[in-house]
Amino acid sequence: DAGITQSPRHKVTETGTPVTLRCHQTENHRYMYWYRQDPGHGLRLIHYSYGVKDTDKGEVSDGYSVSRSKTEDFLLTLESATSSQTSVYFCAIKDSPYNEQFFGPGTRLTVL
Amino acid sequence: AQTVTQSQPEMSVQEAETVTLSCTYDTSESDYYLFWYKQPPSRQMILVIRQEAYKQQNATENRFSVNFQKAAKSFSLKISDSQLGDAAMYFCAYSPRGGGTSYGKLTFGQGTILTVHP
Repeated sequence: DAGITQSPRHKVTETGTPVTLRCHQTENHRYMYWYRQDPGHGLRLIHYSYGVKDTDKGEVSDGYSVSRSKTEDFLLTLESATSSQTSVYFCAIKDSPYNEQFFGPGTRLTVL
Repeated sequence: AQTVTQSQPEMSVQEAETVTLSCTYDTSESDYYLFWYKQPPSRQMILVIRQEAYKQQNATENRFSVNFQKAAKSFSLKISDSQLGDAAMYFCAYSPRGGGTSYGKLTFGQGTILTVHP
């Protein structure tokens, strides 16, 4: 158990509203990641962090921003949610020198 | 850019039988890791097995084994003695080994839904 929690676990929101998803880890891992999962696409990397205040874009970063002010928290923000951002969002940490990642339970986000 | 392709959207197997899930990938790197993850209906992502590209020996974990063909860029997962609890979505994933800007990022395939029939 890598001690990863995500909040909220489910959220329904309306188009145009801001949304922030939180990932919290308890084991001081340096690397953290946000993915989205959509049918037919597997998981795709949105943003990642390699340390406090050190973040970078992934494959599908448009419309998303992140922040990491503390080692244990990695926040994903949708500044103005759109229906295309309806998805399941996973946070992950890298826990080994072999690039194994361990995932949180996911957040199901619905944008109406 | 690296790509990972799982060409079987769905597979099925009888309980106690063997099934093989296919995965191909494309990369210009010579050193990397490959993974299989399992996602049961609970949605939790579970690491099943890891293969290091610099190792010729195929990885095994209990009933799970891989057939890693580096030249062909193929990485299949074999599940022996299938159990009802093996029913899940399975994802193949790739990660370059080097440090620097790779930062351990994973590239996933589209997934294969495995059904196990009693």
